[in-house]
Amino acid sequence: DGGITQSPKYLFRKEGQNVTLSCEQNLNHDAMYWYRQDPGQGLRLIYYSQIVNDFQKGDIAEGYSVSREKKESFPLTVTSAQKNPTAFYLCASGPMGNEQFFGPGTRLTVL
Amino acid sequence: AQKITQTQPGMFVQEKEAVTLDCTYDTSDPSYGLFWYKQPSSGEMIFLIYQGSYDQQNATEGRYSLNFQKARKSANLVISASQLGDSAMYFCAMFPTGANNLFFGTGTRLTVIP
Repeated sequence: DGGITQSPKYLFRKEGQNVTLSCEQNLNHDAMYWYRQDPGQGLRLIYYSQIVNDFQKGDIAEGYSVSREKKESFPLTVTSAQKNPTAFYLCASGPMGNEQFFGPGTRLTVL
Repeated sequence: AQKITQTQPGMFVQEKEAVTLDCTYDTSDPSYGLFWYKQPSSGEMIFLIYQGSYDQQNATEGRYSLNFQKARKSANLVISASQLGDSAMYFCAMFPTGANNLFFGTGTRLTVIP
């Protein structure tokens, strides 16, 4: 089946640790995105990538890093520099300038 | 600057009735797309409907329709014949052609009452 997968669904991290969230898509989309959602709020863009080996910062990129070595994959690393990382993280992909398809999300909790 | 405003934090509707969720937007880009997404408690964002800024007719998808008023910069979602499964958060979003991503509103929580 075509779609977007994110893993893990729930993730726990100790303070000071880096952690990587996985996002894979088999929809052959060029563009991929990472969003952060805090309780009761909308989505805020962290990073996006329009093509392989290229990515751009979104509105809240500080404390995060990404890579785009393959078209299908866009992993997000939450570094220890991110002061308040507990949130729900959503990955999306889409043809440029059109609707975005979302994965099921990863809920990250810092202990 | 791009901005999406959803002024209704929460809405209630009786089952089988229609409901309108409000959305206004602000952009200087002459070309843009407008989207509505549904987010149930599971967290996944489900695409509902799309309206292009140059589309002459309002978009419809089954029980969903988008009341697009370009001069007022509004893109309200109308859900007809509400069902219990419609209870969720609903987000309005915009993709200006000159930008590279979606801009989201803060959402409206819809509760369908049996």
